[in-house]
Amino acid sequence: DAGVIQSPRHEVTEMGQEVTLRCKPISGHNSLFWYRQTMMRGLELLIYFNNNVPIDDSGMPEDRFSAKMPNASFSTLKIQPSEPRDSAVYFCASSFLGDQPQHFGDGTRLSIL
Amino acid sequence: GQQVMQIPQYQHVQEGEDFTTYCNSSTTLSNIQWYKQRPGGHPVFLIQLVKSGEVKKQKRLTFQFGEAKKNSSLHITATQTTDVGTYFCAGLRDSNYQLIWGAGTKLIIKP
Repeated sequence: DAGVIQSPRHEVTEMGQEVTLRCKPISGHNSLFWYRQTMMRGLELLIYFNNNVPIDDSGMPEDRFSAKMPNASFSTLKIQPSEPRDSAVYFCASSFLGDQPQHFGDGTRLSIL
Repeated sequence: GQQVMQIPQYQHVQEGEDFTTYCNSSTTLSNIQWYKQRPGGHPVFLIQLVKSGEVKKQKRLTFQFGEAKKNSSLHITATQTTDVGTYFCAGLRDSNYQLIWGAGTKLIIKP
């Protein structure tokens, strides 16, 4: 069974550039989550979608961050413009229902120079 | 806001010693989930506890959910090098079915 698929696995770019992270959830899962993980702040929930609708985006750091889920099999997290402090590992996770165990992708390691 | 406090932040043990991590919530939880993240990896679901006072075992791992459904613990007996990683608890609150994550406990095996 295919798990949660994230791309790219690694991204290195210069500050000011636009960054787009992609996620394909497990087929049949109706909840999707974007997380950011750093040594300093740990694992932070950025946004939660249910049935493709954003339910809680209170964790999105600022207006430079945006997330979309145009259909049940695809989501993007965009940072524009990017800053060095955005460097982190970004995880996408999905679950069958919002209260069920979450399945994580391998993450995108983002470095903003 | 509601938090799930997890302690300790780190635990150094000799191989073969036991390991325990604790989670405490300020309010009652609907359920609690435990995840393990290996170095360089992603969190992987281990188990979910739902009932008050529930105890579940997975080989050398024992998971407990408190009677008041506000606290939980994970105990590993006789740690092995394969146990190395960070263990997270995540509590589900009833109001909006969102997981509240603990900060994680990093298990380090002393050389």
